[in-house]
Amino acid sequence: DTEVTQTPKHLVMGMTNKKSLKCEQHMGHRAMYWYKQKAKKPPELMFVYSYEKLSINESVPSRFSPECPNSSLLNLHLHALQPEDSALYLCASSQTVGSYEQYFGPGTRLTVT
Amino acid sequence: AQTVTQSQPEMSVQEAETVTLSCTYDTSESNYYLFWYKQPPSRQMILVIRQEAYKQQNATENRFSVNFQKAAKSFSLKISDSQLGDTAMYFCAFMKPYIIQGAQKLVFGQGTRLTINP
Repeated sequence: DTEVTQTPKHLVMGMTNKKSLKCEQHMGHRAMYWYKQKAKKPPELMFVYSYEKLSINESVPSRFSPECPNSSLLNLHLHALQPEDSALYLCASSQTVGSYEQYFGPGTRLTVT
Repeated sequence: AQTVTQSQPEMSVQEAETVTLSCTYDTSESNYYLFWYKQPPSRQMILVIRQEAYKQQNATENRFSVNFQKAAKSFSLKISDSQLGDTAMYFCAFMKPYIIQGAQKLVFGQGTRLTINP
């Protein structure tokens, strides 16, 4: 099973709303990633969790709050977002030793109104 | 810092033709990995092929193969017998392993939009 799942597929939220994105994998990977992708651009790394601890934060605004409740789950909590935060949010996972390829989920298309 | 450059923003070929996508990168590292990912209109990023820098032999996966020139820092992707389903955005990516506790950072190029015409 090489599947990373993400919910919801689409999300529309107002600037005052609080919402969460969810990512799940059952490949036993101990590294999980959040990326933001604008149209016709490559993904931009936001956060990396390794062994359930936040390893990398690419200077992301605090209105984005990641959480890794266990080794299979990764959440991204959203609060007081801006219209420019509208994008495709991709989750990925990888092993931490040996093979290094990252497996991506299908993404959540977020629109902030 | 590593950089990845894809000089072809868009390409278009006829079905069954062979197409080559170019990628160059800049790094001072000796141990690293290179990847090609495809992202079709369905949005899912799919790994196409990977290459370890310490391996001289070029990686192949069915119709997909790479030409890895380490000294020239070049990593091109060749798609043989192209199919309509190959239509996608293709991203070249560089990775240095073991950045922090086993986590890695992927550095992506800007992408090449490939269209396969019937």
